[in-house]
Amino acid sequence: EVQLVESGGGLVHPGGSLRLSCVASGIIVNSNYMTWVRQAPGKGLEWVSTIYSGGSTYYADSVRGRITISRHDSKNTLYLQMSRLRTEDTAVYYCARGGGVYRLDVWGQGTTVTVSS
Amino acid sequence: DIQMTQSPSSLSASVGDRVTITCQASQDVSKYLSWYHQKPGKAPKLLIYDASNLETGVPSRFSGSGSGTAFTLTISSLQPEDVATYYCQKYGNFVLTFGGGTKVEIK
Repeated sequence: EVQLVESGGGLVHPGGSLRLSCVASGIIVNSNYMTWVRQAPGKGLEWVSTIYSGGSTYYADSVRGRITISRHDSKNTLYLQMSRLRTEDTAVYYCARGGGVYRLDVWGQGTTVTVSS
Repeated sequence: DIQMTQSPSSLSASVGDRVTITCQASQDVSKYLSWYHQKPGKAPKLLIYDASNLETGVPSRFSGSGSGTAFTLTISSLQPEDVATYYCQKYGNFVLTFGGGTKVEIK
């Protein structure tokens, strides 16, 4: 069964850092385009970042310079390293397979990040 | 950046009704348009990709059409389990953009 499981969310103060993880089963992370999407409370979906199978990385303007997407091949895991967090980064963060020319066809259940003092 | 505009923002319809949601792109996105629905507290689920292709396992009452800048999602006969928020999303290059969402309720 294809599955993505996120973890690492929590409460962090403004200016703090957090690393989200997305463990994949049934798919090979480094053979796929992988994407992070977030959803602020009561709001719509917002693309955050994508890593291509070849390793190229792309970011939304709202997070560029503060967030890094990466992967660990032997752990088959996708990461989102977030720093200099702002209150507006508060959201549920989803990892998904796809991006670029590929549809987002597999989604994790999401992990919640709350940035508050 | 390309903007995706959905309409309506919400709708209420009866069980068995035909429901149509539209999505307008500010620039040509070719066929690279997906539709998702999201139930409260759940992750989005892919319904339609490449504008008109039904994702495996999705009921055939869902269909998509359009290309370029104008797209439509149709539910041919609304069912109680279709209550959700529906999003269009453009892909095709490294920027993914979602529409604002359409909340579908049962009358």
